[in-house]
Amino acid sequence: SQQGEEDPQALSIQEGENATMNCSYKTSINNLQWYRQNSGRGLVHLILIRSNEREKHSGRLRVTLDTSKKSSSLLITASRAADTASYFCATDASTGNQFYFGTGTSLTVIP
Amino acid sequence: NAGVTQTPKFQVLKTGQSMTLQCAQDMNHNSMYWYRQDPGMGLRLIYYSASEGTTDKGEVPNGYNVSRLNKREFSLRLESAAPSQTSVYFCASSAGPWTEAFFGQGTRLTVV
Repeated sequence: SQQGEEDPQALSIQEGENATMNCSYKTSINNLQWYRQNSGRGLVHLILIRSNEREKHSGRLRVTLDTSKKSSSLLITASRAADTASYFCATDASTGNQFYFGTGTSLTVIP
Repeated sequence: NAGVTQTPKFQVLKTGQSMTLQCAQDMNHNSMYWYRQDPGMGLRLIYYSASEGTTDKGEVPNGYNVSRLNKREFSLRLESAAPSQTSVYFCASSAGPWTEAFFGQGTRLTVV
């Protein structure tokens, strides 16, 4: 399976702190994406990083990609209670028509 | 702007019953997907449709069939439901390869 794996499985931090979660995957990719899922809801796309990019920013989000280690990290700075959610990385197959999701990191931000 | 709409939101089936999960998108996307989400397993791809008229198996296709009815609609059918198919099902769509996916709100299915 090409499914990625997030680490840690669960993370609890205080509001205002930074949250870092990691994703490892098994095969070569074209893109890696991060999604957020609030409890009981569908997934929402956060950011896409291409295999030839090493770092990407979007607001309070910073994503890095190390293709040599087959890993990515998502950093959320100055976290807020509203950031409480599960975060998933997704990698694509060579055709680009299939997304494979990791098992997710459950983030709790304590007000 | 509805995005991706799934129906129904909740369903309880008895073992052996059949049902169809409906999905429609209004973003003129070429690609559509069906995933299931189980605790501790993340999302697993059941079937996908890269374009109207084509469908392909994903990671866990057994026990399911799909139909890409037109560019907007992609349905998932359980012919003979089993308790192992108890899960939350998500439909998603994307403009094409290597682009972001947009998800529906999910269908929570329980098979007893």
